[in-house]
Amino acid sequence: SQKIEQNSEALNIQEGKTATLTCNYTNYSPAYLQWYRQDPGRGPVFLLLIRENEKEKRKERLKVTFDTTLKQSLFHITASQPADSATYLCAPHRPDGSGNTGKLIFGQGTTLQVKP
Amino acid sequence: EAGVAQSPRYKIIEKRQSVAFWCNPISGHATLYWYQQILGQGPKLLIQFQNNGVVDDSQLPKDRFSAERLKGVDSTLKIQPAKLEDSAVYLCASSLGRGVGELFFGEGSRLTVL
Repeated sequence: SQKIEQNSEALNIQEGKTATLTCNYTNYSPAYLQWYRQDPGRGPVFLLLIRENEKEKRKERLKVTFDTTLKQSLFHITASQPADSATYLCAPHRPDGSGNTGKLIFGQGTTLQVKP
Repeated sequence: EAGVAQSPRYKIIEKRQSVAFWCNPISGHATLYWYQQILGQGPKLLIQFQNNGVVDDSQLPKDRFSAERLKGVDSTLKIQPAKLEDSAVYLCASSLGRGVGELFFGEGSRLTVL
């Protein structure tokens, strides 16, 4: 069955450093991979999407890579700030055969704590 | 643009009681999802609707959970009877439904079963 693994241990880093979060998947061939941010008591919020034919995607201080050979995505936050503290969820994804969005299965999330 | 609306935000019930959660997706979004998120875990998909038809309910405990999407818009998720292990946040999300689509989530309904 499809399995998605993210670092289960919280990641603690100092402000200004680069945070790197990992998402590994097995028994799955996603065409896309989405990353979401979730703050305590709130619903997840979409951040970035990367396609299987894209090696890297950037948005402001965020960078995502997608390696379909390693079955892994890395999520980087450069120049991290305390406001970046949250849980980050990955969701490998493939639209269904009818062209509909299909279901999104999420990893368990990695909690990032940025200390001032 | 209004986001995904959910209610109630919090609900406390005794085990074996019933509870219902309501979701109003973003206007025009064809796909609606219900997720269950237990503390410390990622969201787990319970059921997915495309318009008013069920696309996937393979993870829905059908002996106690039911869901419907009326006229392809609002949706209700019901639990009857509730068990202690149903204590979780129930998240509703919607998407346009075609191709690659980001999900828009509501704030969730937190259920505590005593």
